[in-house]
Amino acid sequence: DVKVTQSSRYLVKRTGEKVFLECVQDMDHENMFWYRQDPGLGLRLIYFSYDVKMKEKGDIPEGYSVSREKKERFSLILESASTNQTSMYLCASRGAGFDGRRKLTSTDTQYFGPGTRLTVL
Amino acid sequence: AQKITQTQPGMFVQEKEAVTLDCTYDTSDQSYGLFWYKQPSSGEMIFLIYQGSYDEQNATEGRYSLNFQKARKSANLVISASQLGDSAMYFCAMRVRYRNTGNQFYFGTGTSLTVIP
Repeated sequence: DVKVTQSSRYLVKRTGEKVFLECVQDMDHENMFWYRQDPGLGLRLIYFSYDVKMKEKGDIPEGYSVSREKKERFSLILESASTNQTSMYLCASRGAGFDGRRKLTSTDTQYFGPGTRLTVL
Repeated sequence: AQKITQTQPGMFVQEKEAVTLDCTYDTSDQSYGLFWYKQPSSGEMIFLIYQGSYDEQNATEGRYSLNFQKARKSANLVISASQLGDSAMYFCAMRVRYRNTGNQFYFGTGTSLTVIP
């Protein structure tokens, strides 16, 4: 089974602090994603990475940065946390190799971590 | 623009009854994938079912089936014989492939399902 872990389930930080959220997957997946989830807004993509040292902005990258130094680890960084970054943060990973005509395999599906609920005071 | 719409913020269903959760999508791409995820109160996102845009038959996984109507751009989730443990948020998602950056996923705002004993 794919396993995606996140460093903390709950985190409380103060405004202006630098925050690191870590995500690790054990399936040698190329693609990794960071989302935030807010009531009424669903999941919104912050950043994603399709290979080591590669990163792409998602829909809401402002105020965030990411780091992918190793394939299994994708870190989300809040350089200076603000109260509007209080949210649930979800990490996901998936394998590469997509063919829309093929039946579903594990390479087509995103697998999520348990989430980190971040509160910024 | 890519878009996923879930118009039902909340749904109730009697235990053992079937329920349909609506999802419509908007894409100009010919090749895409559609997913449903379940998120219980514990917070983790659980993959339920997948439908590829070229798949002619509706996907089924146990009590879950995906009613895929390509011309209408809808991908409704049908849960048969609802159980109390089905109470959760359900998210519809679409995966589109971009030439340079690979796949990108888009999620709907979710539907909260409550199963009544």
